[in-house]
Amino acid sequence: QVQLQESGPGLVRPSQTLSLTCTVSGDSISSGDYYWSWIRQHPGKGLEWIGYIYYSGSTYFNPSLKSRVTISADTSKNQFSLKLSSVTAADTAVYYCARVLYSSGWRRFDYWGQGTLVTVSS
Amino acid sequence: DIQMTQSPSSLSASVGDRVTITCRASQSISGYLNWYQQKPGKAPKLLIYAASSLQSGVPSRFSGSGSGTDFTLTITSLQPEDFASYFCQESYRTPWTFGQGTKVEIK
Repeated sequence: QVQLQESGPGLVRPSQTLSLTCTVSGDSISSGDYYWSWIRQHPGKGLEWIGYIYYSGSTYFNPSLKSRVTISADTSKNQFSLKLSSVTAADTAVYYCARVLYSSGWRRFDYWGQGTLVTVSS
Repeated sequence: DIQMTQSPSSLSASVGDRVTITCRASQSISGYLNWYQQKPGKAPKLLIYAASSLQSGVPSRFSGSGSGTDFTLTITSLQPEDFASYFCQESYRTPWTFGQGTKVEIK
């Protein structure tokens, strides 16, 4: 059974960098069948895709966040990470990591972490 | 970005009812449409992918249809555990975008 688990500080000061890690079990992030992604959900709102990393190390980010986002992977630990710089209160959200299954040309988020609330406040 | 618009934003229904939720894309996305269910405090759960393919383990009372710009999620015979929010998501082109959600409440 594939499991994803987010970890990181729940409180970040304005202008600082938000850092989260997703630990994957039951699957290898080095598998070429998947992308590994971050998604966030503002309180009481909809979902916003942040970006993904592929096993090759290639990344793609939502243009709305691209200038502030870094996604990296540590295959030895089977983890991938998110860094979001220069945060403001607008970045307060529940952050999810998720696996993107790409098969037969179809892509979908098939496994999700439980989510972690990150609050930006002084 | 492709805009995804769901309707209604919320609905009230009773156990046993047939429920239909629609999702409209701002441009054609072929069949690149996924549906998710989210319960309070939980992560979204994949229900339908490629517009009409049922994810493994999802009850058959859930079905999806549509192509191009207009899509539908149908729940036949609503069950108590189906009261939740539902989101559509396009996977046609990055940045992948989601609908704003439809909350299904108990009447």
